[in-house]
Amino acid sequence: QVQLVESGGGVVQPGRSLRLSCAASGFTFSSYALHWVRQAPGQGLEWVAIISYGGSNTYYADSVKGRFTISRDNSKNTLHLQMNNLRAEDTAVYYCARDHFGGLVRGTMLNYWGQGTLVTVSS
Amino acid sequence: DIQMTQSPSSLSGSVGDRVTISCRASQSISSYLNWYQQKPGKAPKLLIYAASSLQSGVPSRFSGSGSGTDFTLTISSLQPEDFATYYCQQSYSTPPPYTFGQGTKLEIK
Repeated sequence: QVQLVESGGGVVQPGRSLRLSCAASGFTFSSYALHWVRQAPGQGLEWVAIISYGGSNTYYADSVKGRFTISRDNSKNTLHLQMNNLRAEDTAVYYCARDHFGGLVRGTMLNYWGQGTLVTVSS
Repeated sequence: DIQMTQSPSSLSGSVGDRVTISCRASQSISSYLNWYQQKPGKAPKLLIYAASSLQSGVPSRFSGSGSGTDFTLTISSLQPEDFATYYCQQSYSTPPPYTFGQGTKLEIK
């Protein structure tokens, strides 16, 4: 069965960096686009970033553009989110999610999700 | 970016009730609208995709409708396990972002 397991969360000071990882299993990792979605405490879902199956196409929410970088290692079935210059407003549970397709396809959906990892940005 | 607005933000219902949640897009998104259910402390779960297609394994009491800018999620007969928060999401934008609505919390009356 499809499994996505996030790691790398923790407490970090404002302005510092953190790298999240998402280990995948149960499907052909290199065939699917992947997303990061976050949820601030007590708040709704916010889409963060997407990477295509091969890694050549990436897009970001305006709130993280220029600070966050999504990447993937298809040889290790792992997705990453490098988060730089962190702010208090980046505090959230970060979920990785699998796309239904490999490329960036209009009409797609996020049909598998990990359990999330909590990032707390605080001095 | 396309903005998604859900209404109401919260509602209460009893087991057996029929409930409806609305989602409005700031511009036409055709039928590129998904619905997710999230229970406290858990990851979201895909319920409906392409506005009205039921994800495999989701009970048939859930249904979706709409196109263009106005969409609806209906639960025909509330069950205890349905009390959760529901989110709509558009996947029309090319390129992304794929924005979510702010959520609708469904509580027990």
